[in-house]
Amino acid sequence: QKEVEQNSGPLSVPEGAIASLNCTYSDRGSQSFFWYRQYSGKSPELIMSIYSNGDKEDGRFTAQLNKASQYVSLLIRDSQPSDSATYLCAVEMNRDDKIIFGKGTRLHILP
Amino acid sequence: KAGVTQTPRYLIKTRGQQVTLSCSPISGHRSVSWYQQTPGQGLQFLFEYFSETQRNKGNFPGRFSGRQFSNSRSEMNVSTLELGDSALYLCASSSRVAGNTIYFGEGSWLTVV
Repeated sequence: QKEVEQNSGPLSVPEGAIASLNCTYSDRGSQSFFWYRQYSGKSPELIMSIYSNGDKEDGRFTAQLNKASQYVSLLIRDSQPSDSATYLCAVEMNRDDKIIFGKGTRLHILP
Repeated sequence: KAGVTQTPRYLIKTRGQQVTLSCSPISGHRSVSWYQQTPGQGLQFLFEYFSETQRNKGNFPGRFSGRQFSNSRSEMNVSTLELGDSALYLCASSSRVAGNTIYFGEGSWLTVV
């Protein structure tokens, strides 16, 4: 099982709809989780972090964490064309504190 | 507050050569991590340095090495370059005081020909 798994996409979502991005991880004891956005040719930029089970909202973004299911997700409300990018899930591994990234999900917002 | 600065931004090297990349972390951050990003493998962890000590290491051959200086600036070196080393090399810094959120620099694009 890969340490951090994401569906590679592309995920196509109409403008104004909710985009839902998912991520699973293998290290059950992990406590810190992050979502990054990466535009083509650019470096990843942090969207938000989440540490506790449940939802965490920041503007149009909501991160959801379920440690029992080893699952973390990112919801983007009112999707805009500027949200078209690759979204990277990252997990700080409990065993050695390394931050490991999934391969990312390509999101395409359809105007 | 300045972000993470990486130099050079772009470089082309020949197989067999070596390359050194530099990273200046966010002021006050003592942890620097390096990642390699390729289209096929995604972001792969190379190593992390904290207070001049290698704290973690990924699964890369010994040709990949790094170091950190007393001012927290870091360098990574790749010796005997191979075509497969062509990638975006990303440096990220963290304070490791209030969580371990990492912030990336713009990266160094390495092409090996």
